[in-house]
Amino acid sequence: NAGVTQTPKFQVLKTGQSMTLQCAQDMNHEYMSWYRQDPGMGLRLIHYSVGAGITDQGEVPNGYNVSRSTTEDFPLRLLSAAPSQTSVYFCASSWGSRGNTEAFFGQGTRLTVV
Amino acid sequence: DAKTTQPTSMDCAEGRAANLPCNHSTISGNEYVYWYRQIHSQGPQYIIHGLKNNETNEMASLIITEDRKSSTLILPHATLRDTAVYYCIVRVAGYGGATNKLIFGTGTLLAVQP
Repeated sequence: NAGVTQTPKFQVLKTGQSMTLQCAQDMNHEYMSWYRQDPGMGLRLIHYSVGAGITDQGEVPNGYNVSRSTTEDFPLRLLSAAPSQTSVYFCASSWGSRGNTEAFFGQGTRLTVV
Repeated sequence: DAKTTQPTSMDCAEGRAANLPCNHSTISGNEYVYWYRQIHSQGPQYIIHGLKNNETNEMASLIITEDRKSSTLILPHATLRDTAVYYCIVRVAGYGGATNKLIFGTGTLLAVQP
């Protein structure tokens, strides 16, 4: 049981490049989400999914796309990277239909856009 | 979701109890209080949550005032490994993915001193 796995751990992109951050969980959780964390700040919600085929926007969705084709995977796509997207990205999962349960977080992807 | 207010930072001596306060004066009757912590830029880790009654688990205790406008997280015997940013989050109770959204503030940096 690996929990929530994020890849890659580190990435450097040039402005305008695109890439996909991977997130996978093996706990059969319905709910998955992506956050970004900028220096000295708390986490901000980018996108979330309540189940396969269903996604919705969070607080800061611009510049990011998501899809959820399986329960296990929830990739985050940067369409055209900008320096403002330099951040640490965290993926999380939890039971979606059981109300008040804990969320499990991955170890993060540290992205630098130059 | 209701807003929370936490001190920016606190110190605690190793081996002593750490008491972290949180103000949530606009909390609604169906909102739970959750605590997470983040150790040195790792992914956040769930600690405890509660609605009305005081709660205790192997990590910590949660004391919620009778009017539910504030709460205190207690780490009974703080160690150096408890140095982290602690987040107090208020979240709507219920079932369904949308209620699983976690809105993070900037938290309290707890520094445990040897």
